[in-house]
Amino acid sequence: AQSVAQPEDQVNVAEGNPLTVKCTYSVSGNPYLFWYVQYPNRGLQFLLKYITGDNLVKGSYGFEAEFNKSQTSFHLKKPSALVSDSALYFCAVRDKRGGADGLTFGKGTHLIIQP
Amino acid sequence: DTGVSQDPRHKITKRGQNVTFRCDPISEHNRLYWYRQTLGQGPEFLTYFQNEAQLEKSRLLSDRFSAERPKGSFSTLEIQRTEQGDSAMYLCASSPGTGNTDTQYFGPGTRLTVL
Repeated sequence: AQSVAQPEDQVNVAEGNPLTVKCTYSVSGNPYLFWYVQYPNRGLQFLLKYITGDNLVKGSYGFEAEFNKSQTSFHLKKPSALVSDSALYFCAVRDKRGGADGLTFGKGTHLIIQP
Repeated sequence: DTGVSQDPRHKITKRGQNVTFRCDPISEHNRLYWYRQTLGQGPEFLTYFQNEAQLEKSRLLSDRFSAERPKGSFSTLEIQRTEQGDSAMYLCASSPGTGNTDTQYFGPGTRLTVL
């Protein structure tokens, strides 16, 4: 079975500082990995995904994520945080070997950017 | 707006009543997914369609739940004899193709409250 862990319920960062939101995963085969962001009372918005190739993936709104196979991690990063980045962030995984075709999500991390 | 739409956005019902939700995917998207999200958790996969065929159901989808996508366009999710434990946000997503690398685009969700 596939699973995702987001070890931090909340991350606090000062505006202008770099931010990292952590994600680790477990799958039987090689993973497809995704990051989504959710604003209050709204659906999930896609940020970026890792399929294959370069371990550093660039996405929307200046976010990027680094795939690390040996550590089974896919941490979300941004060099300089904005107050508007404050939201709930979800990491998700899908096993390349098929089976359940839905995404498996972590519990989410609240990102709070302080002015 | 050409994104995924869901109707209604909010539904309050009494225990034992039946409810039906509708999802309109992005035009020409082949796959349509249903997820459930409870407070403090990430979305959990319920079921998905490829065109009009329902290809997978999660074990979370009890016999009281049924989903249809009759013409391969919009989909409905019906919950019969609702229980308080059904209270959640029901999210719909669609993706363009048939591959596991495709990005899923989410709608705003239907929030169900069972009294």
